[in-house]
Amino acid sequence: EAGVAQSPRYKIIEKRQSVAFWCNPISGHATLYWYQQILGQGPKLLIQFQNNGVVDDSQLPKDRFSAERLKGVDSTLKIQPAKLEDSAVYLCASSGGQGGGELFFGEGSRLTVL
Amino acid sequence: AQKVTQAQTEISVVEKEDVTLDCVYETRDTTYYLFWYKQPPSGELVFLIRRNSFDEQNEISGRYSWNFQKSTSSFNFTITASQVVDSAVYFCALSEARRGSEKLVFGKGTKLTVNP
Repeated sequence: EAGVAQSPRYKIIEKRQSVAFWCNPISGHATLYWYQQILGQGPKLLIQFQNNGVVDDSQLPKDRFSAERLKGVDSTLKIQPAKLEDSAVYLCASSGGQGGGELFFGEGSRLTVL
Repeated sequence: AQKVTQAQTEISVVEKEDVTLDCVYETRDTTYYLFWYKQPPSGELVFLIRRNSFDEQNEISGRYSWNFQKSTSSFNFTITASQVVDSAVYFCALSEARRGSEKLVFGKGTKLTVNP
């Protein structure tokens, strides 16, 4: 079974530029999450999708971050304009949506903002 | 609000030593789930264990064991006879027990280095 796929693995941009990350979850997984992991910290939830609807985006900085999951499968996370403090690893995870189950994580996209 | 505290930032041991990683959590929910994940240098988070709040039985899986004590809100993880391959960052996490939600709240992680 293929795991959660993310791209790109690494991205370096200047502040105020924009960037987009892509995630393809495990086939059949209804729930998709984006987490932000700053160096030396645990992952922090940014947004949760159930199929193509947003369940929780309370911690997403909406002035610069946006995310979509148009067809209920792949998802894109965008940052525009980027700030220095956005340097982090962006992790995508998916689950079957049954509640209390295991999250399957991708390898992450490492963003460096200069 | 839910919170997970991993007080140990870094631990260094010599191979074959036993090591315990501490985890203390806070939640107002009566039903919840606790997890441990391993993050090797490659960056991917690897699931190790899930524990339901109603199940306080300790669990052993090979060299790994987990001690869940609801009375002290702790969910500690012990590696017996550590190996170099155990070197990684380990995260304890907490989620609410609600259908359709596996939202995890993570601790800051404990970096374990096992030296040969």
